[in-house]
Amino acid sequence: AQTVTQSQPEMSVQEAETVTLSCTYDTSENNYYLFWYKQPPSRQMILVIRQEAYKQQNATENRFSVNFQKAAKSFSLKISDSQLGDTAMYFCAFHGGSQGNLIFGKGTKLSVKP
Amino acid sequence: DVKVTQSSRYLVKRTGEKVFLECVQDMDHENMFWYRQDPGLGLRLIYFSYDVKMKEKGDIPEGYSVSREKKERFSLILESASTNQTSMYLCASSSSGRLMGNEQFFGPGTRLTVL
Repeated sequence: AQTVTQSQPEMSVQEAETVTLSCTYDTSENNYYLFWYKQPPSRQMILVIRQEAYKQQNATENRFSVNFQKAAKSFSLKISDSQLGDTAMYFCAFHGGSQGNLIFGKGTKLSVKP
Repeated sequence: DVKVTQSSRYLVKRTGEKVFLECVQDMDHENMFWYRQDPGLGLRLIYFSYDVKMKEKGDIPEGYSVSREKKERFSLILESASTNQTSMYLCASSSSGRLMGNEQFFGPGTRLTVL
């Protein structure tokens, strides 16, 4: 069975600095997708970034980028120039194989401090 | 914009009551999901559906059932609510059947308290 592990329950970062959130996963599948979702306080969960396992190039969305290490089964999220609005729970998720659903990690609570 | 709505943001029920949580999406998505979110446990899948009148159990289906009579609506039913079902319930939808990689769009959540 696939598993997703986020080892940092809470993190904090100063505004304008860079922070990296860790995620590791376990699977025997060759083709799969990995996601980072963001859940701001009292607001809806939204997709931050998505990576297909077959793509070598790391995905980037503005200030958000990933470091995808397929052999190590690692998928970290880097947030550059952190902003107060980045304060949220961040969930790493896996989608692959015969499953139609996402497998989520337990989340990392990120606080951006002014 | 994709919109997923849930019938209530906050709900308080008594032990033993039958509880209905409703979810509606307006983007003609085939897939719909119900998760519960608990601190330190992340999101756990309760049930999901790939099409009208079809359902599949997720990781924690015990004590829950679902109904999908129309494509846009997916209901979660707690047949006899218990205090251990106090939680945040999130509904989500996505397009295109079983294809991988499709973004899931989430509703705002229903925070259910069972007394």
